[in-house]
Amino acid sequence: AQSVTQPDIHITVSEGASLELRCNYSYGATPYLFWYVQSPGQGLQLLLKYFSGDTLVQGIKGFEAEFKRSQSSFNLRKPSVHWSDAAEYFCAVGKGNAGNMLTFGGGTRLMVKP
Amino acid sequence: EPEVTQTPSHQVTQMGQEVILRCVPISNHLYFYWYRQILGQKVEFLVSFYNNEISEKSEIFDDQFSVERPDGSNFTLKIRSTKLEDSAMYFCASGRDRMNTEAFFGQGTRLTVV
Repeated sequence: AQSVTQPDIHITVSEGASLELRCNYSYGATPYLFWYVQSPGQGLQLLLKYFSGDTLVQGIKGFEAEFKRSQSSFNLRKPSVHWSDAAEYFCAVGKGNAGNMLTFGGGTRLMVKP
Repeated sequence: EPEVTQTPSHQVTQMGQEVILRCVPISNHLYFYWYRQILGQKVEFLVSFYNNEISEKSEIFDDQFSVERPDGSNFTLKIRSTKLEDSAMYFCASGRDRMNTEAFFGQGTRLTVV
């Protein structure tokens, strides 16, 4: 069965600092990988996705993620964090034959210090 | 921009009562999903729906749950006899197709069973 692990439950960074959120997955074939963001009281907004091709994917709001098959990882990065990035971030993996049926990680709550 | 709309945003119901959560998916989407997120836990897949029938469901989606697309626009989740442990945020999502596209999520309905 597929699974997703986000090792960091909480992360605090200073505004303007760089950010990396970790995501490791377990899946028997080429995964469909996603990062979603959830602001308080809001739904899930897609930041970026990886289906195939270039392993470095660009997303919205200045985020990027890199798929590393050898490490079963899909870490999310941003070079300079803004206070508005404070939210919960979810990594998810989709089944190869049904890309939209997602298994989510536990989430990482990002706090941004002024 | 098209979006998935869920109503109500918050519903309180008594244990044992039936509840119907409503969703209006994006109009040209063909695949529909329900997920739930119990407070403090992961987002979990419940069910997927295509061509007026369930295409996959998780172990959570037992006989107490049902889904329906009663007309061309709404997609509903019914819980027949609610239990305290059904308290959660329920997300509806829709996708244009199964492969190589992402799911778009609604804002969620917070269900509180008392």
